[in-house]
Amino acid sequence: GQNIDQPTEMTATEGAIVQINCTYQTSGFNGLFWYQQHAGEAPTFLSYNVLDGLEEKGRFSSFLSRSKGYSYLLLKELQMKDSASYLCAVGPGNTGKLIFGQGTTLQVKP
Amino acid sequence: GAVVSQHPSRVICKSGTSVKIECRSLDFQATTMFWYRQFPKKSLMLMATSNEGSKATYEQGVEKDKFLINHASLTLSTLTVTSAHPEDSSFYICVPQSREGYNEQFFGPGTRLTVL
Repeated sequence: GQNIDQPTEMTATEGAIVQINCTYQTSGFNGLFWYQQHAGEAPTFLSYNVLDGLEEKGRFSSFLSRSKGYSYLLLKELQMKDSASYLCAVGPGNTGKLIFGQGTTLQVKP
Repeated sequence: GAVVSQHPSRVICKSGTSVKIECRSLDFQATTMFWYRQFPKKSLMLMATSNEGSKATYEQGVEKDKFLINHASLTLSTLTVTSAHPEDSSFYICVPQSREGYNEQFFGPGTRLTVL
């Protein structure tokens, strides 16, 4: 079957660093995506990993280990506007369709 | 990123009516269109995949006669929710994809459907 797990909720302090983990078990693998979704809005693309390692993009970084079926999204220098839901999604094949995790709601506190 | 529009952004309708949602990719040719829906506080679930000029492929549990998808051109796809019921109330999101753009998945802004 297809399964993607991530924590339901996390809380962090403004200015801090937070790591959101995602584990997956899918019948195939053709990349892992992270999206940010604010309440009432559509998801926005954050990152894409297909090879092992760390991809850094400004305050956000994403890591992938294919052998462990594991990824994390690292957010540095947290800002209040980072309060949102973060979705981990896997492309199980080369069709472009994505399987989404349940999302992690991050609350950033002053 | 890619420019994707959806219309309407928000719609409220009575039970039994049909609602058409349009998705346009404004700056690239979408050979494939994915339609997702998201129930409140839930994750996104793929409903169907359509390729330009051919019939859509529906995911298990999604009624093809209820959710009609048309992908007649490379820049426009429509999703029609027929005979809508309150349980169809959801956030519907399109994701157009070009042949080259698998690693760039840009979502439409979504359509919030409320069926009374």
